This record gives sequence, structure tokens and C-alpha cells, in this order.
Amino acid sequence: EAQVTQNPRYLITVTGKKLTVTCSQNMNHEYMSWYRQDPGLGLRQIYYSMNVEVTDKGDVPEGYKVSRKEKRNFPLILESPSPNQTSLYFCASSSPLAGVYNEQFFGPGTRLTVL
Amino acid sequence: GNSVTQMEGPVTLSEEAFLTINCTYTATGYPSLFWYVQYPGEGLQLLLKATKADDKGSNKGFEATYRKETTSFHLEKGSVQVSDSAVYFCAPIYSGGYQKVTFGIGTKLQVIP
Repeated sequence: EAQVTQNPRYLITVTGKKLTVTCSQNMNHEYMSWYRQDPGLGLRQIYYSMNVEVTDKGDVPEGYKVSRKEKRNFPLILESPSPNQTSLYFCASSSPLAGVYNEQFFGPGTRLTVL
Repeated sequence: GNSVTQMEGPVTLSEEAFLTINCTYTATGYPSLFWYVQYPGEGLQLLLKATKADDKGSNKGFEATYRKETTSFHLEKGSVQVSDSAVYFCAPIYSGGYQKVTFGIGTKLQVIP
């Protein structure tokens, strides 16, 4: 089944404790992206990656890191989480090379709480 | 940069009512236009799309027409159901694909029996 998976689905942590949220897709997509969803602010892009070893900042990259060492994986790293990073996070992937539509496929989300 | 404007809601409708959720965007170039839907507790999934001017995307009774002259992509449904209760997001995405993506703020729809 074609899908985007994220782990963990739920995480409660404390300020300053480094964490990684994993994202993996099995569709051989070139493009992968991380978003955060907050009430009243909608969905905002954190980072995106056009292919292996190529990443770029979205609208809200501060406090986050990403890496793209393999095509299928795109982990989101919070080196020193703070309470303002409490949010619902989504990973997504797409294949621009597949045509003009560029439908993004989303993971199920990771709800992160930073105390 | 690009931006998307859509009503935040919540929009509350009775079952079988007519729905319109407005979406306008500012962008350079000629994007494809998408509506995504997020059901409670789930991730986003594609609802419909349109890739060129005057195209109409449709799915599950929802429709939206790509209006290049007004840079709009309003979502409509003639008769909503309780199961349509969700958050709806509008997004212009470029055919090049390798770019930052800006979604609308999301419009929460609540349909009451």
C-alpha cells in the first residue's frame, strides 16, 4: 500500500530534550516536506526537500533541522525543543516528475507536546 | 511571496444546505490548484484539483473551478452531509514541484443534522 508513515504518532517531552520525528514514504517520491498545524494559523511549511541531500527552508524553519540521506526518509529533528513547538506535525511527499499535478500525500500526523 | 486567503470558519450548516468556501491566491506564474480535506483525527487527503484556467475539479459532490482572471478556486457543494464535517485547505502548487508550498489557513466545516 502506497503510504507515508510517521513515528511516533504522539509524543510528550520536556524543554531541551532532543527528539527526532521520522517520516518514510514507499512511493519513490522525490519531494518531501514537513508542516506544522496550529489553531488559527493553518498549515505552515517547515522544511522541504527536492531530492536526496537537497533541502530548503519553508516558512517556519526556526528551531528545526532536517536531513535527506535516503530518498524514502525525511526525519525532522528538534535539537532543543521549546513549548512553542507544541503542535501537530505532518510529513508529505510528492513526485513532480510524475506530471503536472503534484498531489501531495500526507502522513497521519504526529502530535507533539513540549512541557 | 505567494499567499492564500480562505475563510477560517467555523462554517456551520444544516444537512442538505449549499456550501461555498472561498479561496483566492496571489502567486507568480501559473500554478495547479488543489483542495485538501482533513477529517477529524486524520491527515490531509486530496479532495480535488485543477491544472489550468477554466478547468473544473470535482469529487464526492464537491466542485471548484480554476478562475485565472480572479485568481480564485472556490469550493462548492450543492447538498452537504454530516460526513462532510472536516477542515478544508486550499493550495496553489506549481507544476515545477520543487518549491515552497503555501496552504490556506483551513476552513472548518460543521454540518448538523
